[in-house]
Amino acid sequence: QKEVEQNSGPLSVPEGAIASLNCTYSDRGSQSFFWYRQYSGKSPELIMSIYSNGDKEDGRFTAQLNKASQYVSLLIRDSQPSDSATYLCAVIVGAGGGNKLTFGTGTQLKVEL
Amino acid sequence: NAGVTQTPKFQVLKTGQSMTLQCAQDMNHNSMYWYRQDPGMGLRLIYYSASEGTTDKGEVPNGYNVSRLNKREFSLRLESAAPSQTSVYFCASLTGTVRSTDTQYFGPGTRLTVL
Repeated sequence: QKEVEQNSGPLSVPEGAIASLNCTYSDRGSQSFFWYRQYSGKSPELIMSIYSNGDKEDGRFTAQLNKASQYVSLLIRDSQPSDSATYLCAVIVGAGGGNKLTFGTGTQLKVEL
Repeated sequence: NAGVTQTPKFQVLKTGQSMTLQCAQDMNHNSMYWYRQDPGMGLRLIYYSASEGTTDKGEVPNGYNVSRLNKREFSLRLESAAPSQTSVYFCASLTGTVRSTDTQYFGPGTRLTVL
């Protein structure tokens, strides 16, 4: 079982809609969770971090964490064509503070006009 | 403040040659990482260093070695390059304080081709 899993997509949404991206992780002791955006040919860019159960909002982005179910999600409201990119979920695996930062394979998002 | 720098940006090697990828960060981050990215495979962790003086294997360590030279620098060495090591390599750094507001940055990447 992979430590961090994502649906590879592509996920297509119309402009102005809500895009919902999901991620599951296998280590129940994990404590730190991140969402990155990566444009083609570029480095990943951190957009959200979340550490506690519940929702965390930052502008058009909302990260949701459910530790009991071991999933993290990212909602993008009012999706724009510029949001078209690959979104990577990352987890600091384990509770031991070893800081092993592991990524999923990413979900490609396409926002259509 | 340059963030995370990587050298070189591009490299072509022949099978069997060796090389070292350099990474440096100026943010006083504790943890540093080396990843490779191949189409459809996401970012796969090669090695990481949770703090100065420690290194650990990631998901795909075979064929690589690392050195955490000091808090700023973390290098990745290919002793005998193979075509399977053709990839884009990213270095990243992280504040490293679990359960805090971590900051993370990636370098610009090194595109390596092994012929």
